[in-house]
Amino acid sequence: KQEVTQIPAALSVPEGENLVLNCSFTDSAIYNLQWFRQDPGKGLTSLLLIQSSQREQTSGRLNASLDKSSGRSTLYIAASQPGDSATYLCAVMDSNYQLIWGAGTKLIIKP
Amino acid sequence: DGGITQSPKYLFRKEGQNVTLSCEQNLNHDAMYWYRQDPGQGLRLIYYSQIVNDFQKGDIAEGYSVSREKKESFPLTVTSAQKNPTAFYLCASSYREGFSYEQYFGPGTRLTVT
Repeated sequence: KQEVTQIPAALSVPEGENLVLNCSFTDSAIYNLQWFRQDPGKGLTSLLLIQSSQREQTSGRLNASLDKSSGRSTLYIAASQPGDSATYLCAVMDSNYQLIWGAGTKLIIKP
Repeated sequence: DGGITQSPKYLFRKEGQNVTLSCEQNLNHDAMYWYRQDPGQGLRLIYYSQIVNDFQKGDIAEGYSVSREKKESFPLTVTSAQKNPTAFYLCASSYREGFSYEQYFGPGTRLTVT
């Protein structure tokens, strides 16, 4: 059964730093991996989607990588800003087209 | 503006009552989904629908029911049989079910049952 893990559960860094969020999954048979952002009490916003055949995707200050063989993905945030404070969730799409979710990393950027 | 709306934002009910959460989308998406989110856990799939008048159970369907009479609407009923209904409920949609299609999420409904 696919399991998705995000470590750490929470992270606090000073403004301006570059940072990496981690996501690992147990079964490499995935169609894609997605990173989402969730602000407190709100819905989810899709940040990046990486198809299984791709190695990385970039959007602005965000870069996500995917290594299927090792079951790992990273979300790199450059030059962090207080507005980046949120919970970041990763999810993998399994062979049944279902999203399997990690519990998220709560990110706090200190001004 | 295209998007997904969920209502109400907050919902309070007494134990033993059924309650229906609304989800509407104007994105012309075929597929719609209901997830439950609990603190410290990943989202869990309750029900999904790929097309009007058809839906499938997800991982935690017990105590929930849905209908899909219109393409735009996918209401979720939380019945009195659901043992721990207090949670944050998220509705999502995608153009179709499949690996190429991103899921778009509504703002969520926080249900509290006492």
